[in-house]
Amino acid sequence: AQKVTQAQTEISVVEKEDVTLDCVYETRDTTYYLFWYKQPPSGELVFLIRRNSFDEQNEISGRYSWNFQKSTSSFNFTITASQVVDSAVYFCALSGPSGAGSYQLTFGKGTKLSVIP
Amino acid sequence: GAVVSQHPSWVICKSGTSVKIECRSLDFQATTMFWYRQFPKQSLMLMATSNEGSKATYEQGVEKDKFLINHASLTLSTLTVTSAHPEDSSFYICSASPLAHTYEQYFGPGTRLTVT
Repeated sequence: AQKVTQAQTEISVVEKEDVTLDCVYETRDTTYYLFWYKQPPSGELVFLIRRNSFDEQNEISGRYSWNFQKSTSSFNFTITASQVVDSAVYFCALSGPSGAGSYQLTFGKGTKLSVIP
Repeated sequence: GAVVSQHPSWVICKSGTSVKIECRSLDFQATTMFWYRQFPKQSLMLMATSNEGSKATYEQGVEKDKFLINHASLTLSTLTVTSAHPEDSSFYICSASPLAHTYEQYFGPGTRLTVT
């Protein structure tokens, strides 16, 4: 069974601070994919990144960076110099095979980030 | 590319009526479509998985007679909430997996259902 844990329910930071959102996962699969999504108040999920289990290279995209460590089953997300527009709920998700060639996503409970001006 | 639409984006209905929500993959064919439900301040919970031309697979605890899912083509899946009650009020989100990358899911914008 797959499991994703986002231990931080809510985080508040002051604008321009850096913030890291934690994600720990559990799976027995050797091939799997990890995702981060942003959900602003409008509700629509915004895809941020996908990582497969064979690629542990960290990634940076502008103010966003991701640290994938298989040894600790973690896929943490850091926002540098946070902005008010970053305020949203962030979900970490794990995609693993569910049989017959399809995959199933398991979501963490989400972390609500509030960036205070 | 990889756009998924949902219609309607919001709907208000009276208790006892049925509501149909459409999910379309606009620029790709989807082997599999998924339906999620999200209550306020909670995460997405998978309700069911549907493959084109076959019966949907429902998650434990989801009433298949209440939440009817039809996946008639590789670009369209529908969710019908039958005999809706106030406790069915929620945010419903669909996603679609393309034929070439079944590990990927592209999400629709969601449908907010309010049952009065």
